[in-house]
Amino acid sequence: GIQVEQSPPDLILQEGANSTLRCNFSDSVNNLQWFHQNPWGQLINLFYIPSGTKQNGRLSATTVATERYSLLYISSSQTTDSGVYFCAVDPRSGGYQKVTFGTGTKLQVIP
Amino acid sequence: GAVVSQHPSRVICKSGTSVKIECRSLDFQATTMFWYRQFPKQSLMLMATSNEGSKATYEQGVEKDKFLINHASLTLSTLTVTSAHPEDSSFYICSAPQGSWPGNTIYFGEGSWLTVV
Repeated sequence: GIQVEQSPPDLILQEGANSTLRCNFSDSVNNLQWFHQNPWGQLINLFYIPSGTKQNGRLSATTVATERYSLLYISSSQTTDSGVYFCAVDPRSGGYQKVTFGTGTKLQVIP
Repeated sequence: GAVVSQHPSRVICKSGTSVKIECRSLDFQATTMFWYRQFPKQSLMLMATSNEGSKATYEQGVEKDKFLINHASLTLSTLTVTSAHPEDSSFYICSAPQGSWPGNTIYFGEGSWLTVV
């Protein structure tokens, strides 16, 4: 099946700093999502972004489908940004809607 | 907007008992739902595909007799962990797609924490 790798696995930021999280996938995808998992486990959808660039406040994401990667940018980080960030892909092959999650990036923003 | 709801959000059960987790699509119909499991500090792994009116499809390595899935209506899928053991303790989350694939939107429930003591 499709492989989805994220980097870095762990990241510690000072409040106010910017960061870039990366998601590499091994095969073509129909869709790609970025999620933030909060300390209670809840998955918050950040972006649906199979290609192109989207922005939402301090967050933006870019997916280059032809090169099979996506980037999530966090600017002016806040302590509430802490948690685990997952990208998840809906592969074009391998079955209907079998969304595969990446390995995750654990972000800790310190005051 | 569309919402997928899970219940219970947290459950503690005794070893050897069974526990049921519900996943509901609140304002849309879902002929297919998906169940995921997340071990501590790990990613989410697809366990099975729940199909309305037919048998669920399990991923390799998932015990179908331990994790019973029933999709009795277009808005409800249930996951029953049978004869639970401490190693079944985990975070379980469901998802449901709305619309036609491949351009549809996938919504996730809030997740359920299961602790087996």
